[in-house]
Amino acid sequence: DAKTTQPNSMESNEEEPVHLPCNHSTISGTDYIHWYRQLPSQGPEYVIHGLTSNVNNRMASLAIAEDRKSSTLILHRATLRDAAVYYCILRPYRAAGNKLTFGGGTRVLVKP
Amino acid sequence: EPEVTQTPSHQVTQMGQEVILRCVPISNHLYFYWYRQILGQKVEFLVSFYNNEISEKSEIFDDQFSVERPDGSNFTLKIRSTKLEDSAMYFCASSDSGANQPQHFGDGTRLSIL
Repeated sequence: DAKTTQPNSMESNEEEPVHLPCNHSTISGTDYIHWYRQLPSQGPEYVIHGLTSNVNNRMASLAIAEDRKSSTLILHRATLRDAAVYYCILRPYRAAGNKLTFGGGTRVLVKP
Repeated sequence: EPEVTQTPSHQVTQMGQEVILRCVPISNHLYFYWYRQILGQKVEFLVSFYNNEISEKSEIFDDQFSVERPDGSNFTLKIRSTKLEDSAMYFCASSDSGANQPQHFGDGTRLSIL
């Protein structure tokens, strides 16, 4: 599986944007970029995914570099509830049902 | 919003005993998964299950482990003859059919082996 590299931790102030980088220089053409997060004492939670174009949903935005070797998850206004570990995961295209391979993720601390 | 539920939230078992962890996936989902997370470590894939059979398993998922969908709603993970190193959070997940469908996770069962 292609690997991802994320910073171990980041701090942000409440109500400010958070930009979480992810490097994936060995990404293949059929790998989708997925982001999940894990709040304290909870299971992982899907955030967003994309292939080539930038993506937006109610939780976050995903900006994907033109060469696809890196991406950035953007939380537009961090709240205390956004304090979690954020995982950037490459998931090869498959019809359905393929596993997620988690790395260490980035622990986000949100300060009031 | 529908969610994956897991029971019990915490299971304490003596080493060598069998344990069954239970999950109720989201009702219209067709793909089911178990992951585990040892304290302070990464979330690790164990097994995926579709159409009443295992579709993929990791090296961790050896003969000690088995999965079953006994009644069309529950999805269980059985660990025979538990070991101390089986102590971990065990997460169940489910997903719908279709490419790149997100996986929906439960809040896990904390398994403590004494």
